[in-house]
Amino acid sequence: ETGVTQTPRHLVMGMTNKKSLKCEQHLGHNAMYWYKQSAKKPLELMFVYNFKEQTENNSVPSRFSPECPNSSHLFLHLHTLQPEDSALYLCASSPWMGFSNGYTFGSGTRLTVV
Amino acid sequence: AQTVTQSQPEMSVQEAETVTLSCTYDTSENNYYLFWYKQPPSRQMILVIRQEAYKQQNATENRFSVNFQKAAKSFSLKISDSQLGDTAMYFCAFMKFSGGSSGDKLTFGTGTRLAVRP
Repeated sequence: ETGVTQTPRHLVMGMTNKKSLKCEQHLGHNAMYWYKQSAKKPLELMFVYNFKEQTENNSVPSRFSPECPNSSHLFLHLHTLQPEDSALYLCASSPWMGFSNGYTFGSGTRLTVV
Repeated sequence: AQTVTQSQPEMSVQEAETVTLSCTYDTSENNYYLFWYKQPPSRQMILVIRQEAYKQQNATENRFSVNFQKAAKSFSLKISDSQLGDTAMYFCAFMKFSGGSSGDKLTFGTGTRLAVRP
């Protein structure tokens, strides 16, 4: 366990469902990230929060809605997803955005949209 | 924008042997950081090794070392004395330098799946 915890580990949802992914860290980090990992594609950065403020939204569809209530918690709210949204969603954190020693990652949520 | 290319989708190596994973990147930046991350079946991305572009000396961490060729924009990972626990996906990543001790976002390649055979 690296200190970044993601729940649930697996999630199967229908296209009309609403669900949320949770990420939690108690490392004292102030930057948190959501990445999407699909097979045979580079990891895609979705959102960045730095000191609770969203600093990056990489043209992510509005059916993905992030929330960062404090520096320790990050959520990804999902609604009316498409089958192509099935992927591994990784959360990461770092002391501040762009910390040059790299990020600490969680184990991801494997999402399947049916 | 920066891109990272890993041209080997899959590699295999015999236990105790040496294997080299390739990575090239495209950037117009002069200062940046390069990383290799390991993702075992547990899915947790773990930092293996890090290189600062302004340092000519190649980084080394125990059995892991890199061959950093800045002019060629190449950053390969060598794993010596391969162990079964090295079986994982390996991702090369790039971070642009943005001042002080900070960089920009991490940009990843598509990964190389490494299997270590007993």
